[in-house]
Amino acid sequence: SAVISQKPSRDICQRGTSLTIQCQVDSQVTMMFWYRQQPGQSLTLIATANQGSEATYESGFVIDKFPISRPNLTFSTLTVSNMSPEDSSIYLCSSRRANTEAFFGQGTRLTVV
Amino acid sequence: QQPVQSPQAVILREGEDAVINCSSSKALYSVHWYRQKHGEAPVFLMILLKGGEQKGHEKISASFNEKKQQSSLYLTASQLSYSGTYFCGTLGSSNTGKLIFGQGTTLQVKP
Repeated sequence: SAVISQKPSRDICQRGTSLTIQCQVDSQVTMMFWYRQQPGQSLTLIATANQGSEATYESGFVIDKFPISRPNLTFSTLTVSNMSPEDSSIYLCSSRRANTEAFFGQGTRLTVV
Repeated sequence: QQPVQSPQAVILREGEDAVINCSSSKALYSVHWYRQKHGEAPVFLMILLKGGEQKGHEKISASFNEKKQQSSLYLTASQLSYSGTYFCGTLGSSNTGKLIFGQGTTLQVKP
């Protein structure tokens, strides 16, 4: 199993500012992902965080808005840039090895005012 | 492509059974099942792999029809603790790929 520490757990931010969310896994994992979850909705994949290279973004998500870093096998950051109220959501970090289950951080509840 | 879950919501009495279905329009390598309670992270329940291998909790059962690209999660003798939202997640042709989740099925178990 893996334990994921994600921080901050929540934040209230002003529109136009940026927030960086950190994700630390307690063991080396092959894959790390970032999801967004609106209240009462499913988990929407934002991007796959690739170690040492640019993240792979899903349709509707772009690097300028959601820059992602993954400098090593256990750490990744997601930045939500130039925030607007529409960015208010829960952001979840996830990690997985091949043929195993996904583990999730506790999430970052972001409110943009 | 997001898998489709059915039903969207289920209300049960303790001790009753339920089945949650997950269907994909694409060929699948594996199907994952998770349960999420309000304000918490999703928790792993089961993986069903192409070829028949399964990994998961002993009290949870599920099936995976590779040809039909469908999976079902069976909840028997439900308990109050089973309440939550159930998500299936699907992996396409590669087991190192991304996990895409269905829209979720909300289960409420009443005393």
